[in-house]
Amino acid sequence: DGGITQSPKYLFRKEGQNVTLSCEQNLNHDAMYWYRQDPGQGLRLIYYSQIVNDFQKGDIAEGYSVSREKKESFPLTVTSAQKNPTAFYLCASSIKGANEQFFGPGTRLTVL
Amino acid sequence: DAKTTQPTSMDCAEGRAANLPCNHSTISGNEYVYWYRQIHSQGPQYIIHGLKNNETNEMASLIITEDRKSSTLILPHATLRDTAVYYCIVRAYNNAGNMLTFGGGTRLMVKP
Repeated sequence: DGGITQSPKYLFRKEGQNVTLSCEQNLNHDAMYWYRQDPGQGLRLIYYSQIVNDFQKGDIAEGYSVSREKKESFPLTVTSAQKNPTAFYLCASSIKGANEQFFGPGTRLTVL
Repeated sequence: DAKTTQPTSMDCAEGRAANLPCNHSTISGNEYVYWYRQIHSQGPQYIIHGLKNNETNEMASLIITEDRKSSTLILPHATLRDTAVYYCIVRAYNNAGNMLTFGGGTRLMVKP
């Protein structure tokens, strides 16, 4: 089945540790995105990538980093520089320029 | 991208039509209206989009006013599984990065 997978579903880390969230898609989509969602709020764009080996900052990129070495994969690293990392993180993908973005199930990160 | 305004929450009786309004008074000529929904703790799901004509698909209907300053998403026969947060998004087609800007949305509660 085609789709987007994110792992793990729940992640706990100690303050000051970097953590990498996985996002994989087998939809052959060119574009991939990372969003952050805080309780009761909408989604905010962290980073996006329209093509392999290229990515751009979104609205709240500070404290995060990404890579796009393969078309299928777009991992997000939450660094220790991110002041409030506890949130629900959502990955999405789309055909470049298409109307619809497909979202993964999300990873809920809790920093203790 | 134009800003949207939606009611914070709405209730609907199961089996009745759910009509979700959205104001986008600053929409420009090349901007589409998109609707997504997010069921609790899941990734958002695309519902429908339109430019100026009314649109219908298997999930919903989208009614856009003639001046395009507002729209209504209609779920013709709401079920309990339609309980979710519904996001109205205005975006130019093929805007740089194909990004979506999510506001707070409308929390629809379908009641038996």
